Amino acid sequence: DTGVSQDPRHKITKRGQNVTFRCDPISEHNRLYWYRQTLGQGPEFLTYFQNEAQLEKSRLLSDRFSAERPKGSFSTLEIQRTEQGDSAMYLCASSLTYRTGGNSPLHFGNGTRLTVT
Amino acid sequence: SQQGEEDPQALSIQEGENATMNCSYKTSINNLQWYRQNSGRGLVHLILIRSNEREKHSGRLRVTLDTSKKSSSLLITASRAADTASYFCAGGTSYGKLTFGQGTILTVHP
Repeated sequence: DTGVSQDPRHKITKRGQNVTFRCDPISEHNRLYWYRQTLGQGPEFLTYFQNEAQLEKSRLLSDRFSAERPKGSFSTLEIQRTEQGDSAMYLCASSLTYRTGGNSPLHFGNGTRLTVT
Repeated sequence: SQQGEEDPQALSIQEGENATMNCSYKTSINNLQWYRQNSGRGLVHLILIRSNEREKHSGRLRVTLDTSKKSSSLLITASRAADTASYFCAGGTSYGKLTFGQGTILTVHP
């Protein structure tokens, strides 16, 4: 178990640029989640996958955000035309869910900190 | 959107004292989980309590759940300086989505 890894750890970009983050979950985990966290707040749900299927996307997420999980392994989160309000920590988590009971704990990566200047 | 409120927002205690954090949630849940986060790091799962359970223990942690009041509490006994962190509750649905609260910042002074 090497844990959830996220890349890069830090990203500084100029407003209007596109950015892409990568998450490698724990290998046997079938669920993968993306959260966003700003200073002093709890993580805010963005989207999650069961294998390669995207099950839900937050209504708060604009069309500039897109996530993929090809082949049900690693995932990417892309933000197009970044805005200063996108500055946050982007957290990825994975879990192993045997059924739809949904009681599995999440294993988090250390996040990607995005700064939009 | 956040699941609910956590109380207090910040808690400062001396080593050896007990720390109690409370969490209220808004929607129906299948389970409630508590996580810990050290500054600049990801969250670490501490304990999970199912909606049909009222109390659960794990080492120095004790969690209670009152579904009629939509509230939970986390008790850390005999706190240590290494317990200093932010603590978050998260309500889980039957299909696995977790919604987090605002968190409590715990500072334990040696």
